[in-house]
Amino acid sequence: DVKVTQSSRYLVKRTGEKVFLECVQDMDHENMFWYRQDPGLGLRLIYFSYDVKMKEKGDIPEGYSVSREKKERFSLILESASTNQTSMYLCASAGHSSGNTIYFGEGSWLTVV
Amino acid sequence: RKEVEQDPGPFNVPEGATVAFNCTYSNSASQSFFWYRQDCRKEPKLLMSVYSSGNEDGRFTAQLNRASQYISLLIRDSKLSDSATYLCVVTAPSGQNFVFGPGTRLSVLP
Repeated sequence: DVKVTQSSRYLVKRTGEKVFLECVQDMDHENMFWYRQDPGLGLRLIYFSYDVKMKEKGDIPEGYSVSREKKERFSLILESASTNQTSMYLCASAGHSSGNTIYFGEGSWLTVV
Repeated sequence: RKEVEQDPGPFNVPEGATVAFNCTYSNSASQSFFWYRQDCRKEPKLLMSVYSSGNEDGRFTAQLNRASQYISLLIRDSKLSDSATYLCVVTAPSGQNFVFGPGTRLSVLP
């Protein structure tokens, strides 16, 4: 089974803090993604990466950055958290080893106060 | 026009009913097609891939019409446990990215 692990499930941070969300996948997938999901807005793509050290902006990259130093790990960084970044963040991965189907982690619930 | 559109829902159906979900996509070069299920406050999970020849998995049947750019999901003999949001997903022409529909919420009532 594909495993996508988001290490932080529930976080509460203060406005202006730097926040790191970590994601690890165990299927040697080439592609990794960060989404956020808010009520009524569906899944929105923040950033994705199709290879180590590569990154592409998604639909809503403002206020976020990412890092992919190793193939299995994709980190989302909020340089200075704001209250409008309170959301559920979903990491996902996809690759040839699993028929290019996308698999999600369990999500990270971030509250910025 | 949105890239992937779905029935707005919600659908409220009694147990045992047959329910159909519809999805249209705008990019004719889309490569792969899926239905995902998402329970409240959980991550989306793959329900089934959708093939041009149509495919069935127990009570679930998925159909793809490339000419009309249309995907469907049929659930027969619906169960209480089928209550969830159903997401239509297509891959971008590059094959590297995924486009999600807004989802259709289903509530199966006793």
